[in-house]
Formats: sequence, C-alpha cells, structure tokens
Amino acid sequence: EAGVAQSPRYKIIEKRQSVAFWCNPISGHATLYWYQQILGQGPKLLIQFQNNGVVDDSQLPKDRFSAERLKGVDSTLKIQPAKLEDSAVYLCASRVAGGETQYFGPGTRLLVL
Amino acid sequence: QQQVKQSPQSLIVQKGGIPIINCAYENTAFDYFPWYQQFPGKGPALLIAIRPDVSEKKEGRFTISFNKSAKQFSLHIMDSQPGDSATYFCAARFTGNQFYFGTGTSLTVIP
Repeated sequence: EAGVAQSPRYKIIEKRQSVAFWCNPISGHATLYWYQQILGQGPKLLIQFQNNGVVDDSQLPKDRFSAERLKGVDSTLKIQPAKLEDSAVYLCASRVAGGETQYFGPGTRLLVL
Repeated sequence: QQQVKQSPQSLIVQKGGIPIINCAYENTAFDYFPWYQQFPGKGPALLIAIRPDVSEKKEGRFTISFNKSAKQFSLHIMDSQPGDSATYFCAARFTGNQFYFGTGTSLTVIP
C-alpha cells in the first residue's frame, strides 16, 4: 500500500512570496489533515478535511493560509504572502473514516528568507 | 494553550536502559492517546496507542502506562537500542477527531 505522498520535499522562498504544497493521501482515506511542525515542537493542526469538506480550520491563519480538497482526494495548502515565522515542516496525514491511526507523509520543509 | 504537556525535552540512556517519557493532559474529552516516533527527515509514525479505559498496553518493547485519575500517561521503552534514537511525541485525540501533540522528546541511546 502506497503511503501519503507530499511535494515538494523542500522549498526556499523569500518573505512576501507565495508557495503551495501538495498532498496525495492513502487511497480510500476520507480524512486528511495538514499540520505545521516548527523546529523543536510537535505538529500543530492547521486544517482537517472529511472528504472535501472542512471539519476544523480553527488554527489556520486564514489571512494568509488557504487549503482545498476539491475532489475529496488530493489536497493543496497555500501560503500567500509568506512570513519568516512560516518556516517549518508542513505535514500531511490521512486516516480512514472511523479509523484511529493517522498516517503521515514525509513533509515539506519550508524556509522563508 | 498547550493541550498536552510532555517531558522531558531530551533524554540520553545507555543501551539496554529503560527510558520513560511522560505526558499530561487536562481535557477529559480526549478519548485516544497515541505515541509517535519520528526520525530526522521523516514524518511521525504511530508506535503504540491506548484508550483511557485501559491502564497499560504493551507491544513488543514498548509499553504505555495510563493513569486516568491523574490525567497522565507515559511511554516506557524496554531494553532500548541505538536504533530507538529518535524524537517521540505523545498525542491526544479530541472526540471530533482532532489530534493534539506534545512538544516532543529527543531520545539518544548510547551503544
């Protein structure tokens, strides 16, 4: 079974630029999460999708972050404009509906200069 | 506000030792408590998990102890090996399926 795929793996941008990350969850997993992991900290939930609907985006900085999961499969997370404090690893995870286990992708490392 | 508090921040043990990582929570609506292992450059991977109606769960060399009244749970790694060197995160799931993570413990096992 293929795992959660994410791209790109690394991205370096300058502040005020925009950036987008892509996630392809495990086939059949209805629930998809985006997390932000700042160096030395645990993952922090940004947004949770159930199929193509948003379940929780209470911690998403909506003035600059957006996410979508149009067909209930792949998802994109966008930052526009980026700030220095957005430097982090952005993790995507998926879970089968009703299941307990989250499966994480390898993450995208973002550095904002 | 940190929903799940984890300690220590880092831990160094000799091979064969038993590192213990502790977590505490406040929200009694949490219903599932997983532990994740993360190697550099990789995403977290589920190690072991427990529900609050169980006081202990063991899988191989990994054991979770759960104290519901104290709202604390801990991970014990028996006969630790250098390959166990990684960062460990505890987490708690809210009934709405949102997960909250601890701040992580960097474990180093010295050969």
